Amino acid sequence: DAKTTQPTSMDCAEGRAANLPCNHSTISGNEYVYWYRQIHSQGPQYIIHGLKNNETNEMASLIITEDRKSSTLILPHATLRDTAVYYCIVRASGTYKYIFGTGTRLKVLA
Amino acid sequence: GAGVSQSPSNKVTEKGKDVELRCDPISGHTALYWYRQSLGQGLEFLIYFQGNSAPDKSGLPSDRFSAERTGGSVSTLTIQRTQQEDSAVYLCASSLTASDTGELFFGEGSRLTVL
Repeated sequence: DAKTTQPTSMDCAEGRAANLPCNHSTISGNEYVYWYRQIHSQGPQYIIHGLKNNETNEMASLIITEDRKSSTLILPHATLRDTAVYYCIVRASGTYKYIFGTGTRLKVLA
Repeated sequence: GAGVSQSPSNKVTEKGKDVELRCDPISGHTALYWYRQSLGQGLEFLIYFQGNSAPDKSGLPSDRFSAERTGGSVSTLTIQRTQQEDSAVYLCASSLTASDTGELFFGEGSRLTVL
């Protein structure tokens, strides 16, 4: 039921930018894109969300394409503590049911 | 603490027994969610509550699963006649309200093992 597609896994060198892609080609005009991450054995943690415009906060940046069919989460300077599973989520239309897919397992390498 | 609290953190039970898992959301949060995460898998939506509205139960996998939320605060997820395939981490989350910008705050989960 997930409305998003993400690569299964990615590696990133410590200190470099980590760019995590997500496809959401069936997204509706009023649906937000959300990103969460789950560090091993912990509950998921909210990172950022956006609708149309690019967004930035203290954790990450979110770049959404003009047609809104895909987005990229950017961790500007990845650290070893950023190793986690990253979930891209589009809320099910007409509900507040957030469907998590299988996410991208990001490994930050020293 | 100020976060979402779940209990028990670990539960081992025998096949066929009933279990109850508890979630204390963040005070003032009106939306509450239950998810299930099997080993190595993503999160599976089970149910969510929003204020006094009827809950969205569309993710409950069978009629052995039920959940209630008393007084708009604490929630209990009940699994009757547990099966081995019910073994998973059950995660609870709350948000200030169910809205487009609602950020979900997750608890640490209850790990259920059915022998």
